[in-house]
Amino acid sequence: AQKVTQAQTEISVVEKEDVTLDCVYETRDTTYYLFWYKQPPSGELVFLIRRNSFDEQNEISGRYSWNFQKSTSSFNFTITASQVVDSAVYFCALSETNAGKSTFGDGTTLTVKP
Amino acid sequence: DSGVTQTPKHLITATGQRVTLRCSPRSGDLSVYWYQQSLDQGLQFLIQYYNGEERAKGNILERFSAQQFPDLHSELNLSSLELGDSALYFCASSYSPREDEQFFGPGTRLTVL
Repeated sequence: AQKVTQAQTEISVVEKEDVTLDCVYETRDTTYYLFWYKQPPSGELVFLIRRNSFDEQNEISGRYSWNFQKSTSSFNFTITASQVVDSAVYFCALSETNAGKSTFGDGTTLTVKP
Repeated sequence: DSGVTQTPKHLITATGQRVTLRCSPRSGDLSVYWYQQSLDQGLQFLIQYYNGEERAKGNILERFSAQQFPDLHSELNLSSLELGDSALYFCASSYSPREDEQFFGPGTRLTVL
């Protein structure tokens, strides 16, 4: 069975601090996809990134970066120089290959204070 | 605006009733996904359709059913509603069935009284 663990329930930082959100996953599949989503206070879900299990290259998109380490089954998300607008709940998810079935973590609530 | 529309935005109903939630995917997207977000169970994948056919099934109750129509819009039917069905129901769409970037609708908030 698949499982996604986001051990940090809540994180609070002050603007301009860097923050890392942890995600640890479990799967028996050799091919799978990992995702991060953002849910701001307004409630909508926003896709941030998809990574397949064969691509362990780190990715950077502006202030966002992702570190995928298969050896530790982790897919961590770092926000550099955080801003108040980054305040949201962030979900990590795992998906089987060739199917849309996703397993979500419980989410990490990030609060960025001015 | 993701381009995915969901109606209604809010729905209040009573236990035992049946409701239908509607989703229109982004133009050109063939795959539709349904998710449930509740306080008790967090975010859960319910079901996926691709070009009219069921593609994957998650934690969808037998009281719930869904379908995707030839024009690619989808409906999620919830019957014999219980208090625990109160949740935010999201629809998402993508072009391919393999979970390329998904675009989410604004959700339908269902309250069962």
